[in-house]
Amino acid sequence: NAGVMQNPRHLVRRRGQEARLRCSPMKGHSHVYWYRQLPEEGLKFMVYLQKENIIDESGMPKERFSAEFPKEGPSILRIQQVVRGDSAAYFCASSPPGRAGGTYEQYFGPGTRLTVT
Amino acid sequence: AQTVTQSQPEMSVQEAETVTLSCTYDTSENNYYLFWYKQPPSRQMILVIRQEAYKQQNATENRFSVNFQKAAKSFSLKISDSQLGDTAMYFCAFMTAYNAGNMLTFGGGTRLMVKP
Repeated sequence: NAGVMQNPRHLVRRRGQEARLRCSPMKGHSHVYWYRQLPEEGLKFMVYLQKENIIDESGMPKERFSAEFPKEGPSILRIQQVVRGDSAAYFCASSPPGRAGGTYEQYFGPGTRLTVT
Repeated sequence: AQTVTQSQPEMSVQEAETVTLSCTYDTSENNYYLFWYKQPPSRQMILVIRQEAYKQQNATENRFSVNFQKAAKSFSLKISDSQLGDTAMYFCAFMTAYNAGNMLTFGGGTRLMVKP
């Protein structure tokens, strides 16, 4: 069973460009979470999605950031008009539906390191 | 809102020795889960161990064990027989239990260096 896949692993963007980060959850997982890790800090929650629905976006900046998880294909985190402060590692995690059998763990992808120049 | 605090930014231990990493949290919830994640230089987040708050027995996974003190809201990680491959950032994390899916709240991390 392949793990959580994220691409690209590294992304360089100039200020003002758009960044698109992709996440494919583990097979059978329908919950996707995005976290951001600034240098030398812990991970901070951004958004929680299920297929075609945003469940909790309380950690998302109000402007320039958006996320989706379409019926088909990977989850996308989109950052418009990037600024230097967006430079960070962005992690995606997935979990299976429900809590049966203690299946509440979140499994993390390798992350995408975004550098804004 | 929940908060997670790791008061030790950096720690070091000699290979084969035992080390304990501290974590405290603040919550008004009664049911929740606690986790320790390891982040090696590759930056991959790896789940080390988990604890359900309703279980009194401390979780163990091979060389890793926790000391869960619910009343004190403390959740420390003990690594026995430390190995060089244990060198990493370690993050304590909290999750509420009242929903089907919930976010993790992470502490700021402890950088552990295992010395040969």
